Amino acid sequence: GAVVSQHPSRVICKSGTSVKIECRSLDFQATTMFWYRQFPKQSLMLMATSNEGSKATYEQGVEKDKFLINHASLTLSTLTVTSAHPEDSSFYICSAKWRPSEGAYLDYGYTFGSGTRLTVV
Amino acid sequence: AQSVTQPDIHITVSEGASLELRCNYSYGATPYLFWYVQSPGQGLQLLLKYFSGDTLVQGIKGFEAEFKRSQSSFNLRKPSVHWSDAAEYFCVAMFSGGYNKLIFGAGTRLAVHP
Repeated sequence: GAVVSQHPSRVICKSGTSVKIECRSLDFQATTMFWYRQFPKQSLMLMATSNEGSKATYEQGVEKDKFLINHASLTLSTLTVTSAHPEDSSFYICSAKWRPSEGAYLDYGYTFGSGTRLTVV
Repeated sequence: AQSVTQPDIHITVSEGASLELRCNYSYGATPYLFWYVQSPGQGLQLLLKYFSGDTLVQGIKGFEAEFKRSQSSFNLRKPSVHWSDAAEYFCVAMFSGGYNKLIFGAGTRLAVHP
């Protein structure tokens, strides 16, 4: 259980265009989802936290107008990279927080999508 | 600031040898701690987690980790490494008051010699 599906796995786009990445929780409801960026051979850097039905909370230094996050339902969050430029090329990963059982307050986990390799040319 | 440190960027071991990957977190209230593995072309997979209770945690694929409060550490161990264990390993923490945010260590890349 607790599977997160992320699409597309790879995308190449032209500079100046926008790209949308989807993150779906397949077998659970994710009230909180996270978006990360990972540069080659580096760790994951949190970009933003999205809660269903409310505006995303962005980390310091992340341009909210460039990286639009929408969490319109309990199973879907999207990241749109607007007016993409070559420096936006990176590996983007989503994650969702889930709870195995009701009432298990201290027992929860984070499931990650398989990531999206974005190349802007 | 809340942080997670993985001192070893790259480790190479022989197949069948034991393994220990180090992880330290910044001093303060005990965070929730996780170890994730990232294989090439695959997503992050949870190996194990520690919230409270027994400080020796058993995970998948024969991994275990021990939480030591006095050392602010959560080292990952495996008694006998397999070639398929070659991957990137991340120690991750969620600190109280952190609004569910996960703080990642820099990662340790494990290479396994035949």
